[in-house]
Amino acid sequence: EVQLVQSGGGLVQPGGSLRLSCAASGFTFSDYWMHWVRQGPGQGFMWVSGIKSDGITTTYADSVKGRFTISRDNAKNTLFLQMNSLRVEDTGVYYCVPGAVAGGRDWGQGSLVTVSS
Amino acid sequence: DIVMTQTPLSSPVTLGQPASISCRSSQGLVHSNGKTYLTWLHQRPGQPPRFLIYEISNRFSGVPDRFSGSGAGTDFTLKISRVEAEDVGLYYCMQASQFPWTFGQGTKVEIK
Repeated sequence: EVQLVQSGGGLVQPGGSLRLSCAASGFTFSDYWMHWVRQGPGQGFMWVSGIKSDGITTTYADSVKGRFTISRDNAKNTLFLQMNSLRVEDTGVYYCVPGAVAGGRDWGQGSLVTVSS
Repeated sequence: DIVMTQTPLSSPVTLGQPASISCRSSQGLVHSNGKTYLTWLHQRPGQPPRFLIYEISNRFSGVPDRFSGSGAGTDFTLKISRVEAEDVGLYYCMQASQFPWTFGQGTKVEIK
């Protein structure tokens, strides 16, 4: 059974930092792209970042480029999102999402990030 | 960025009756590898989303066969042949053919 278990998140002041983690199991994590997607409060979805299986190729939404860093540890089947210089508009629920069908239909359970003074 | 537009935004349906949701993309979604990465998601209130359909018409494992996807080019459709109570919630189309992934606004399916 595929599982994506997230940790991290919380309340942070503007300009602060947070790190999200996503532990994967039930599929060959190291073979596939992985992504982070944000759902703003009462809003739709915004793709944030993706990382290729090699852990080297990464891509970001323009709004987070230079502030967020996606990474992965294939030995530990874990995906990360380091978020620096956080802004109020970064507030939302962040989901870990598999980038391939083999990763199953489920997203991570979500991590609430609230940026507020 | 590719803009995804869904209609309707709300769909009240009688149990056992069909429902249909349309999704239009602002440009074609055919990837350089020939595949079309048009995906449908379902989100129940208070829960994370779950994938339903991938590459226009393929159901993920565990998705009931009352769900079907179709379309080509820039026009796509999700159909529920007979709506059940567990089908309520928000449905989104999403394109993953080009970065950034982009999503439709969502269609709320509710029981009349």
